[in-house]
Amino acid sequence: AQTVTQSQPEMSVQEAETVTLSCTYDTSESDYYLFWYKQPPSRQMILVIRQEAYKQQNATENRFSVNFQKAAKSFSLKISDSQLGDAAMYFCAYSPINTGNQFYFGTGTSLTVIP
Amino acid sequence: DGGITQSPKYLFRKEGQNVTLSCEQNLNHDAMYWYRQDPGQGLRLIYYSQIVNDFQKGDIAEGYSVSREKKESFPLTVTSAQKNPTAFYLCASSMGRGNQPQHFGDGTRLSIL
Repeated sequence: AQTVTQSQPEMSVQEAETVTLSCTYDTSESDYYLFWYKQPPSRQMILVIRQEAYKQQNATENRFSVNFQKAAKSFSLKISDSQLGDAAMYFCAYSPINTGNQFYFGTGTSLTVIP
Repeated sequence: DGGITQSPKYLFRKEGQNVTLSCEQNLNHDAMYWYRQDPGQGLRLIYYSQIVNDFQKGDIAEGYSVSREKKESFPLTVTSAQKNPTAFYLCASSMGRGNQPQHFGDGTRLSIL
């Protein structure tokens, strides 16, 4: 079974500070992709960052970066210099190579940014 | 602009009634997906389609049906067999290979009268 666990239902961060959101996944596959999506109050899902499992280098996208630990099956998201617009639900997603591009989502972390 | 359009934004269903949620994409994506989102449960896959005239059940397909007659369209019907249909429904599409990111519509909120 493929499962994605986000153990932090809610997180908060002071504006301009850094916050890390946790994600772990369970799989027996060796090739897969990992994603972080953001869902603001508008409810639209927005891709934040994508990581390919065979790449050891952690993905970075401006203020967003990941800490990918393949052996530990951990994929945390770090948001630096947090802004008010970062307030949203954040979903971690896992997609194995051999399943027709199916995605498995975690239950989400609600991030509050404090001015 | 390319994107995914879901309609309507809000939908109300009477007991025993079937309703259909629309999802159209002009991204030329092969694969399309329907998810249900409930509070505290993240996104759960209802159905997905990798190619026209073919679709597969996801984790919670009971009480739902889909069709994929055109590449651009993947409508979801919530049947009367779905006993707890109140939820937020998201449609997504992707290139369908290489694990490309899924692109999402704005969602449809379905409520029971």
